[in-house]
Amino acid sequence: DAGVTQSPTHLIKTRGQHVTLRCSPISGHKSVSWYQQVLGQGPQFIFQYYEKEERGRGNFPDRFSARQFPNYSSELNVNALLLGDSALYLCATRESFSSGNTIYFGEGSWLTVV
Amino acid sequence: KNEVEQSPQNLTAQEGEFITINCSYSVGISALHWLQQHPGGGIVSLFMLSSGKKKHGRLIATINIQEKHSSLHITASHPRDSAVYICAVKRVETSGSRLTFGEGTQLTVNP
Repeated sequence: DAGVTQSPTHLIKTRGQHVTLRCSPISGHKSVSWYQQVLGQGPQFIFQYYEKEERGRGNFPDRFSARQFPNYSSELNVNALLLGDSALYLCATRESFSSGNTIYFGEGSWLTVV
Repeated sequence: KNEVEQSPQNLTAQEGEFITINCSYSVGISALHWLQQHPGGGIVSLFMLSSGKKKHGRLIATINIQEKHSSLHITASHPRDSAVYICAVKRVETSGSRLTFGEGTQLTVNP
């Protein structure tokens, strides 16, 4: 089975632009979470989606939004990009909403805002 | 003060050495994760603990709920163990599988 796949792997955007990052979970995984990892720090929680509904949101501005599709894949959208949005964006998936099973991470999307 | 603190921040060892990485947390948790992150960015889950001790190959993870402390041990370390090791907790009061992460420990094992 394929693992968690994220795209694109690397991208460069200009301040003020918009970006869409994509995540395909492992087959059978219905829970998708997004994390932002700034260089030298641990990941910070952005969103969790389960069964196409937002089930949790971290302390991020409204410029950040996400959605989950019927096939459980997910998109993270960031509008009006700032230099500080430069980071590794990680997608994590698991079978269910609760925390009782193993979590799987993708390789991440490296976003550079110039 | 971060809710999850790791020590040391950086660790350099010689091949074959026994390594310990520590994690302390200040919140109530339902589970603690040890994760490994390689330079490319991808993260691999090593252990998920709610009590006691787990072992997988050369890796051992322990947790003391009363003391709010966990350790990750690597026996007979090898250069391929070089990576960032991250402790993350599932807080009791948060729903779903939202994790709170430490800042990671950069481990370098020299041959």
